[in-house]
Amino acid sequence: KNQVEQSPQSLIILEGKNCTLQCNYTVSPFSNLRWYKQDTGRGPVSLTIMTFSENTKSNGRYTATLDADTKQSSLHITASQLSDSASYICVVSVQTGANNLFFGTGTRLTVIP
Amino acid sequence: DGGITQSPKYLFRKEGQNVTLSCEQNLNHDAMYWYRQDPGQGLRLIYYSQIVNDFQKGDIAEGYSVSREKKESFPLTVTSAQKNPTAFYLCASKGGGPISYNSPLHFGNGTRLTVT
Repeated sequence: KNQVEQSPQSLIILEGKNCTLQCNYTVSPFSNLRWYKQDTGRGPVSLTIMTFSENTKSNGRYTATLDADTKQSSLHITASQLSDSASYICVVSVQTGANNLFFGTGTRLTVIP
Repeated sequence: DGGITQSPKYLFRKEGQNVTLSCEQNLNHDAMYWYRQDPGQGLRLIYYSQIVNDFQKGDIAEGYSVSREKKESFPLTVTSAQKNPTAFYLCASKGGGPISYNSPLHFGNGTRLTVT
């Protein structure tokens, strides 16, 4: 069964600290994995995409990793800021059909001063 | 500025009434989607359209209807047949062709529907 699981469900960290969010998937055939950031009351915005051949990709203070063998991805946030408070959603795409996206339930990150 | 506009931001309706949520995009994208977001659940696909005058049911289409008469517009009607319509509804579009695996979804800022 195609599934995307994220952990933890929620996380509270102090401003300036680092954190790592996890995404495990059982989706097949794998096409790519994308991380979205969703601020409260707004739509998700894409942060980064990981394809099968990519291990690490950075976007500013965000670094995503992908291990296609173990079917795991992580999103590392460095030197957190208050504006990082949001939900982070992992979305895995398969190579078949138009309805080809599988969504995780998200990790709710709260950064406190 | 290109983007997706959803309106209204908040919508309140009485049980038994149909309600239509608006979604307009000026990104020139062929594909458009409607998702429902509930607390503790991942986004669930209601309907999607890959091209004008064509649309397909997603995973939870019962109680919903859509139309795609123009490329820019993809309105969603929540009918009285939807048993639990209170939710946050997100519209999205995607470029790169009908089946584009690497293109991101571009989301609107959602409509929060409350039915009492």
